[in-house]
Amino acid sequence: ETGVTQTPRHLVMGMTNKKSLKCEQHLGHNAMYWYKQSAKKPLELMFVYSLEERVENNSVPSRFSPECPNSSHLFLHLHTLQPEDSALYLCASSQARGTGELFFGEGSRLTVL
Amino acid sequence: GENVEQHPSTLSVQEGDSAVIKCTYSDSASNYFPWYKQELGKRPQLIIDIRSNVGEKKDQRIAVTLNKTAKHFSLHITETQPEDSAVYFCAAADQTGANNLFFGTGTRLTVIP
Repeated sequence: ETGVTQTPRHLVMGMTNKKSLKCEQHLGHNAMYWYKQSAKKPLELMFVYSLEERVENNSVPSRFSPECPNSSHLFLHLHTLQPEDSALYLCASSQARGTGELFFGEGSRLTVL
Repeated sequence: GENVEQHPSTLSVQEGDSAVIKCTYSDSASNYFPWYKQELGKRPQLIIDIRSNVGEKKDQRIAVTLNKTAKHFSLHITETQPEDSAVYFCAAADQTGANNLFFGTGTRLTVIP
């Protein structure tokens, strides 16, 4: 099953580490998203990119830094995270921003020690 | 912004019985209402959606109803099977304004064989 691929699937990091999550979509979509999924909470939208331009940043702390070098790739750079940042981070894409179906990746399970 | 509430948070049914999950939304401008299914350890996937110009939509054993006046919509699964066990998320968006989806907190459905 392809479409939206995320790596790594699991990541454990200390609070002083720097790591990155990667997302790749092979669907020819123009919009890409980062969501945070925590237990018993709604999926929280973090960032939206449309045609490689960041169009939304939902009050996300600066220790999360997104990058979209082209319409197929999306990164989430992580630095000086807190234990409460432990969650499943889901990447998604859609044909255009705010239209139709979201196609999700399988997520990156992040644990911050 | 939009606020989506979802109930119940957990639901157990006997195989063959029906399951109903309900959501309410706050923004009367919302016009797109998808439902996503997330199996354990898997990505959320769209199972059905409805737009505000219709009141009901069916796809085999699943159906969604929408009451725009009351601002609520529901997912109905008939003749449930063990493979229906998953977490189901409702969402709402004003797609005319190219706005993003707001998700509910999810319902964990368990179908008991």
